Amino acid sequence: GAVVSQHPSWVICKSGTSVKIECRSLDFQATTMFWYRQFPKQSLMLMATSNEGSKATYEQGVEKDKFLINHASLTLSTLTVTSAHPEDSSFYICSAGEGAGGGETQYFGPGTRLLVL
Amino acid sequence: KQEVTQIPAALSVPEGENLVLNCSFTDSAIYNLQWFRQDPGKGLTSLLLIQSSQREQTSGRLNASLDKSSGRSTLYIAASQPGDSATYLCAVRGGNKLTFGTGTQLKVEL
Repeated sequence: GAVVSQHPSWVICKSGTSVKIECRSLDFQATTMFWYRQFPKQSLMLMATSNEGSKATYEQGVEKDKFLINHASLTLSTLTVTSAHPEDSSFYICSAGEGAGGGETQYFGPGTRLLVL
Repeated sequence: KQEVTQIPAALSVPEGENLVLNCSFTDSAIYNLQWFRQDPGKGLTSLLLIQSSQREQTSGRLNASLDKSSGRSTLYIAASQPGDSATYLCAVRGGNKLTFGTGTQLKVEL
């Protein structure tokens, strides 16, 4: 089956630094990738949808200048948390869409846990 | 705006028991509904996907049903095992977006 990887799986950083998370589709081309955030004991919340070669579409309430998304190729999307603060500590999960519009089937990465001190 | 709710939020059962997890959604205009399993600190494992035109899907001890008109889905787990302990999430697809439910945390005890 389709595999999506994320790197790193864990990151601890100091407040004020920027953190980059990579999401890769290993054996298929993903025209659309999705970024989710999950706080403890809560469900996944969609942050943004990224399409290869174009600007990401952010959900309401998500700061696009804080969460920079780049989808430069059909197999790689990156999420950069700029000037991270403790409240950004969360579990970030990406998914890659295969099929028309990228939404027919989404394959999820294993997630990246971010802890900002 | 689509809202997805899961009941119960947490469930503890003895091994061998059959159980039902519930999922409800407010907007019936969906393409499909999917059930996932999430182990602590891990990503998602897809269990079953039901297209909007389907009524149910089965995989092993799992059976998921969908009543789109009433905005409901159930996940039936037969003969539960301790290895089934996890959080179960349902998600509905509208357009190319998935909206996730609040999750049911299941614990199957020996």
